[in-house]
Amino acid sequence: QSALTQPPSASGSPGQSVTISCTGTSSDVGGYTYVSWYQQYPGKAPKLVIYEVFKRPSGVPDRFFGSKSGNTASLTISGLQAEDEADYYCCSYAGNTNFEIFGTGTKVTVL
Amino acid sequence: EVQLVQSGAEIKKAGESLKISCKTSGYSFTGYWIAWVRQMPGRGLEWMGIIYPGDSDTRYNPSFQGQVTISADKSISTAYLQWGSLKASDTAMYYCARHQGLEDGYNFDYWGQGALVTVSS
Repeated sequence: QSALTQPPSASGSPGQSVTISCTGTSSDVGGYTYVSWYQQYPGKAPKLVIYEVFKRPSGVPDRFFGSKSGNTASLTISGLQAEDEADYYCCSYAGNTNFEIFGTGTKVTVL
Repeated sequence: EVQLVQSGAEIKKAGESLKISCKTSGYSFTGYWIAWVRQMPGRGLEWMGIIYPGDSDTRYNPSFQGQVTISADKSISTAYLQWGSLKASDTAMYYCARHQGLEDGYNFDYWGQGALVTVSS
């Protein structure tokens, strides 16, 4: 099963918003509410920032907002801060056989 | 405090075998799935496979089936990823991650620090 499709890059100035899309199929993103997002700094392990499409783990700022429409999930970071500059990966449940699929990843740059 | 601590970096030659580990603490090891995730240099995350230490139920991404073996030792709360014969294309960072089930939102909530495996041809 192919990786979910994300734009390679996204950028915004401090204080602005940036939205990253994650496109799959009806067998993964479109079929379930189990979409999660991970933030990864260079040389570091990924960190969970959104799960079940829009829920935030404890400690994740409410500037991070997740949503989904059809086969596409989105992560919006509002009030961009320098510390948000990182790679972001979506991930979706893909059924009992395939378990889970990651997205291709998006590098967010704060201008 | 939940912790996943992985074994150190490895430098191996093609054809050699390798087993890397992920030692967990701070939670019930047998109550959560543990996944392995590959990240090749400059590339994205790939879900390799997952094990439920409670009963050793193991699932593999078809792309990795037969290429690696995932196992776990309940007595020391440790999961493993092993190769019988490494290839240069196995050069990557490998992460273990605790997986929360459907009732907790189906996600990887804790990650190991990663283990860099370098294979020379």
